[in-house]
Amino acid sequence: DTEVTQTPKHLVMGMTNKKSLKCEQHMGHRAMYWYKQKAKKPPELMFVYSYEKLSINESVPSRFSPECPNSSLLNLHLHALQPEDSALYLCASSQEEPKVHGNTEAFFGQGTRLTVV
Amino acid sequence: GQNIDQPTEMTATEGAIVQINCTYQTSGFNGLFWYQQHAGEAPTFLSYNVLDGLEEKGRFSSFLSRSKGYSYLLLKELQMKDSASYLCAVIHNAGNNRKLIWGLGTSLAVNP
Repeated sequence: DTEVTQTPKHLVMGMTNKKSLKCEQHMGHRAMYWYKQKAKKPPELMFVYSYEKLSINESVPSRFSPECPNSSLLNLHLHALQPEDSALYLCASSQEEPKVHGNTEAFFGQGTRLTVV
Repeated sequence: GQNIDQPTEMTATEGAIVQINCTYQTSGFNGLFWYQQHAGEAPTFLSYNVLDGLEEKGRFSSFLSRSKGYSYLLLKELQMKDSASYLCAVIHNAGNNRKLIWGLGTSLAVNP
């Protein structure tokens, strides 16, 4: 199983809503990532979790709140988003975070297409 | 700082060979990835290079020259389904952390 599963696939939310994006992997990977991707741009790293602890926060606004309940699950809680937050949100996982060695082949989920209205 | 350059767009013909170049400047290089991304889909891993030389995987090959800060992805026997964006990404040492820095991607159009 080399799959990273993200739900939902599509999400439309208002600026006052609270919603959560979910990501799951069963490959035994200990590093999980959230990326944001706008059309025709590369993925932008938001958060990295390593061994269920937040390792990197790329100065992401607090309206995005990550959570790693266990080694297989990664959530992204959304609250009071802005229309400019509309994007494809990608979850990825890799065996380890790239601290120990370089090869960190990351497997991506299919993403959640988020629209904020 | 860190910088990754790749061409914005390329066009090629079905059955042909195309080479997509990527140059990078980083103070702490520790490996380079190529990913393929179809429109509206997630990136898919293609290759990883950390040592100089050519890595071959079927129709796709990736080359790295660390001294020149240069890599290329070679796609042979192009198929229509190879029309996609190809992203070069470099692992960069930043203090105690290593980060993946992404290029802007090369949009490849394969024509019949």
